[in-house]
Amino acid sequence: DGGITQSPKYLFRKEGQNVTLSCEQNLNHDAMYWYRQDPGQGLRLIYYSQIVNDFQKGDIAEGYSVSREKKESFPLTVTSAQKNPTAFYLCASSTILRGSNQPQHFGDGTRLSIL
Amino acid sequence: KNEVEQSPQNLTAQEGEFITINCSYSVGISALHWLQQHPGGGIVSLFMLSSGKKKHGRLIATINIQEKHSSLHITASHPRDSAVYICAVRLNTGTASKLTFGTGTRLQVTL
Repeated sequence: DGGITQSPKYLFRKEGQNVTLSCEQNLNHDAMYWYRQDPGQGLRLIYYSQIVNDFQKGDIAEGYSVSREKKESFPLTVTSAQKNPTAFYLCASSTILRGSNQPQHFGDGTRLSIL
Repeated sequence: KNEVEQSPQNLTAQEGEFITINCSYSVGISALHWLQQHPGGGIVSLFMLSSGKKKHGRLIATINIQEKHSSLHITASHPRDSAVYICAVRLNTGTASKLTFGTGTRLQVTL
C-alpha cells in the first residue's frame, strides 16, 4: 500500500548531538513537509519542499536542516543548535496541482527525547 | 490570538451521543481540513472543505465562509472515535500547500 514511513518511532539523543529523522513516501507526491508538535500547541511547520533539490524554511526552521535529493525522501536533521528538541515530529506529503488544494498525507511520527 | 481556534479543547461523551467540534478562523482561507490524530500519534485526513458540507459515514463537516467557522459532527459516537480532532486552514496568501493548525479537540467516547 502507498503511504508515508517515518523512522524510528522513538528516538533518544544526548545533548550536543545531531540526529536525523527519516521520512519516505511512495505516493509519488511532489511536496513534502516536516512539522513539530508540542503539548497544547498546534502543529508548526519546520521545512517544506515542493520539488527535488529545493526546500523552504517554515515557521520554526532554526536548529533544523533538511535535504531533498530524491522525490521519495525528505530527511530532517535536528542539530545541536536546536535548544529544545524534545517533541513529536510529523512528516507529510501532498500532490501539487496549480490552483487546486490537495490533502496532505501524514506519517505516524517520531517522538524525540533528550537524555 | 491564534489564527485557528477550536472548541471545546476536551470533550467526553457516552457511546451513541451526537458530537460537535467547532473551528473558527480569523483570516481568509482557500480550504479547511479536518484531521484525526490517534493516541499513537499518526494523523489521518478526514475532510477538505472549501464550501458547504461533506459527509463520510458517521462524520459530517460543514463550513460557513462568511462567518469563518466550521463544524465537525459525529453521529452515533463510538469508543473507537476517541482521538484528537484537528482543524487546519490553508491561507489565501502565501504558498499553496502551507497549513495553519488549531490546537486540537481531545474526544473521549465511553461505553
